[in-house]
Amino acid sequence: AQKITQTQPGMFVQEKEAVTLDCTYDTSDQSYGLFWYKQPSSGEMIFLIYQGSYDEQNATEGRYSLNFQKARKSANLVISASQLGDSAMYFCAMSVNNAGNMLTFGGGTRLMVKP
Amino acid sequence: DADVTQTPRNRITKTGKRIMLECSQTKGHDRMYWYRQDPGLGLRLIYYSFDVKDINKGEISDGYSVSRQAQAKFSLSLESAIPNQTALYFCATSERTAPGELFFGEGSRLTVL
Repeated sequence: AQKITQTQPGMFVQEKEAVTLDCTYDTSDQSYGLFWYKQPSSGEMIFLIYQGSYDEQNATEGRYSLNFQKARKSANLVISASQLGDSAMYFCAMSVNNAGNMLTFGGGTRLMVKP
Repeated sequence: DADVTQTPRNRITKTGKRIMLECSQTKGHDRMYWYRQDPGLGLRLIYYSFDVKDINKGEISDGYSVSRQAQAKFSLSLESAIPNQTALYFCATSERTAPGELFFGEGSRLTVL
């Protein structure tokens, strides 16, 4: 079975600083994908970034980058130059190709950006 | 208009009542999902469907049923609601070729008294 662990229930960051949200995963499969989603206070789920297990380079999308360390089974999200609008819940998720590609989510991290 | 639409957005009901949450999508995706979100537990999969004739149980299907009426419609039913089914429910869709990238509806907040 797959498992995603986010150990930081809540985090603060000063506006304009960078922040890292931790995510570790557990799977015995070699082919899998890692995702990050953002959930603002309005409730919708917004896809941020994707990393495939065979991708050699870390994924980047604008101010978001995914620090993928395969040997450590970690997929941390790095947000550079934090903005007030980044305050939200962030969820790490994993899909495993041999398990029908169902997404398994972590418990989430609430990020609060201070002005 | 949203690509994935859920109705109702908010519902308060009483224990024992039957509730249906509806989801429709205009993305043309084959795959549809129902998740529930509880604080600290993230999102957990209730049911999923890869096409109209394919329905599968997820991690927490007990107490729920689903119906895939058409490619674009996937409804979730609580036959006899109980208080611990109070949660935020999300419908989502994905393409067959990119199954892990989900497109979510705006959520349906259900409160069972």
